[in-house]
Amino acid sequence: SQQGEEDPQALSIQEGENATMNCSYKTSINNLQWYRQNSGRGLVHLILIRSNEREKHSGRLRVTLDTSKKSSSLLITASRAADTASYFCATAPNQAGTALIFGKGTTLSVSS
Amino acid sequence: DAGITQSPRHKVTETGTPVTLRCHQTENHRYMYWYRQDPGHGLRLIHYSYGVKDTDKGEVSDGYSVSRSKTEDFLLTLESATSSQTSVYFCAISEPMTSGDYNEQFFGPGTRLTVL
Repeated sequence: SQQGEEDPQALSIQEGENATMNCSYKTSINNLQWYRQNSGRGLVHLILIRSNEREKHSGRLRVTLDTSKKSSSLLITASRAADTASYFCATAPNQAGTALIFGKGTTLSVSS
Repeated sequence: DAGITQSPRHKVTETGTPVTLRCHQTENHRYMYWYRQDPGHGLRLIHYSYGVKDTDKGEVSDGYSVSRSKTEDFLLTLESATSSQTSVYFCAISEPMTSGDYNEQFFGPGTRLTVL
């Protein structure tokens, strides 16, 4: 069963604008991760935030986590055309021995 | 995609035929996973392995079997392919953190399978 649900499903912006994607999940987690997928390629890990962390930065990426609301957001600042891709959140449940559960993704289109 | 290869990259087969997809890693990671990706469904876990000869089912395991006889190879077999198994299949690997956290996963380039 799908754990994470990204919102919006699709997002179109202009170069230089910020892009915000949200992820909601249902059960308690060990950590939450964000991945990017360019068309026709495999997923690439972007950032991991642990359940005891509230915010994390990596370059132009900012991730927040609110465990009380069971939600996370990914902010990409100053978007570039090369950021055009699908973005997925993935949750690692607290239960030992279980694998990551991926959401359905947000498709981001950045036009120049 | 570094360190992970999938073969074949593309395959067209007919309903009822057996199909085996191979995932090969050079990273010596303990965990390996098979996912399928379909429009509107995102990535769904088929099977995963937490060591040689240690495997477990995922969310959509019906119609699939796996084997892992060596650390570097994880095989996915469709015993009798059906049109509903037309999909893009991704292999992934990971190494569990010493703290028990789930580490990031590294993905292969994918295999596009079409079952006619």
